[in-house]
Amino acid sequence: TQLLEQSPQFLSIQEGENLTVYCNSSSVFSSLQWYRQEPGEGPVLLVTVVTGGEVKKLKRLTFQFGDARKDSSLHITAAQPGDTGLYLCAGASNTGNQFYFGTGTSLTVIP
Amino acid sequence: EAQVTQNPRYLITVTGKKLTVTCSQNMNHEYMSWYRQDPGLGLRQIYYSMNVEVTDKGDVPEGYKVSRKEKRNFPLILESPSPNQTSLYFCASSFFLGAGYEQYFGPGTRLTVT
Repeated sequence: TQLLEQSPQFLSIQEGENLTVYCNSSSVFSSLQWYRQEPGEGPVLLVTVVTGGEVKKLKRLTFQFGDARKDSSLHITAAQPGDTGLYLCAGASNTGNQFYFGTGTSLTVIP
Repeated sequence: EAQVTQNPRYLITVTGKKLTVTCSQNMNHEYMSWYRQDPGLGLRQIYYSMNVEVTDKGDVPEGYKVSRKEKRNFPLILESPSPNQTSLYFCASSFFLGAGYEQYFGPGTRLTVT
């Protein structure tokens, strides 16, 4: 089992603040994905990063894949209440066929 | 509408009574997978399938079976459910895009085994 640890586990911030969520492992992944999950629904893919050092931006969200492809971060600028949800990272095995999910970061943005 | 559907959405059953959770996708995806989500443990992969008639174990396959006779369907079978299989189950499907799989998840099936 390739473990992915996310931190923090819970995060409650005011609207307009910035935040960073971390996803760390001792294992190397062929790619890493970030998902957001809302209560009662399945996870929804936000982004896939593939290359070590890669940075992707999705509006106010910035995703980075570590140089060694063992860790990743998600930075949200000027958080909004609509960003509230459970954020999950998932690493793909070297074959790309198996996925290992982090335990998640529950984000609450207070208006 | 492109989607992954699961049935049933909620199920309460008793120990030992065989059950099947169905999963179907209408996107012609080759890759399909089952996960279970438990508090504090996140999502763990149970089984996955690269294509018709090709299935492989994920991280937590014990107590589960799957089959992939058609591209669109990937049922999860619990031959003799036990209380430790009480969980929230998700099916997912994807194309393989070269850079990896971009998985689309179903709405989930909440299973309680008493």
